[in-house]
Amino acid sequence: EPEVTQTPSHQVTQMGQEVILRCVPISNHLYFYWYRQILGQKVEFLVSFYNNEISEKSEIFDDQFSVERPDGSNFTLKIRSTKLEDSAMYFCASRLAGAPEQFFGPGTRLTVL
Amino acid sequence: AQTVTQSQPEMSVQEAETVTLSCTYDTSESDYYLFWYKQPPSRQMILVIRQEAYKQQNATENRFSVNFQKAAKSFSLKISDSQLGDAAMYFCAYWTGSARQLTFGSGTQLTVLP
Repeated sequence: EPEVTQTPSHQVTQMGQEVILRCVPISNHLYFYWYRQILGQKVEFLVSFYNNEISEKSEIFDDQFSVERPDGSNFTLKIRSTKLEDSAMYFCASRLAGAPEQFFGPGTRLTVL
Repeated sequence: AQTVTQSQPEMSVQEAETVTLSCTYDTSESDYYLFWYKQPPSRQMILVIRQEAYKQQNATENRFSVNFQKAAKSFSLKISDSQLGDAAMYFCAYWTGSARQLTFGSGTQLTVLP
């Protein structure tokens, strides 16, 4: 069964460093998302992406964040200068056109020291 | 703005028994979808069940079923014959085409007692 994959599973970085989180959505899906979950809290929407552009973003998704689909398979989230409060689990999700279900990857645990 | 509320931070159930997790939501939309996601200790988000707002019939998936009360904006999840592998955090989520992103509740931690 096709699934969303994410790499790395765990990333440790120093405050102020740039990180890139990678996702490979399910191959025939057209809508892509990033969510984050701070430990013990609810899952929060960051950004949605369709047709090679951002379709929606939350207040969390400020200028430090960017997304890209560099090729036909990868979908990346970049945090330019990480802060302590960026420590969280980051989930990528994707869905088919015309279907509401979003399928999530296993997440990347980001730890900012 | 849509909100999703899960008022039970923790629940427990004996193995083989039935448990119901509550969820309420607030929306002005008439066309939307509701979901339950399961998050085991691995923290993977796993889709359990979905309900279309236009359908009156409650969704079922094996041991999982929902009680969808559209007028009351209530969407509870019933797990029958609970198994140890059902232990997880359960999130209720709302989706509508106008917002596009999922809005999650705060979750209910379910413990299954042997």
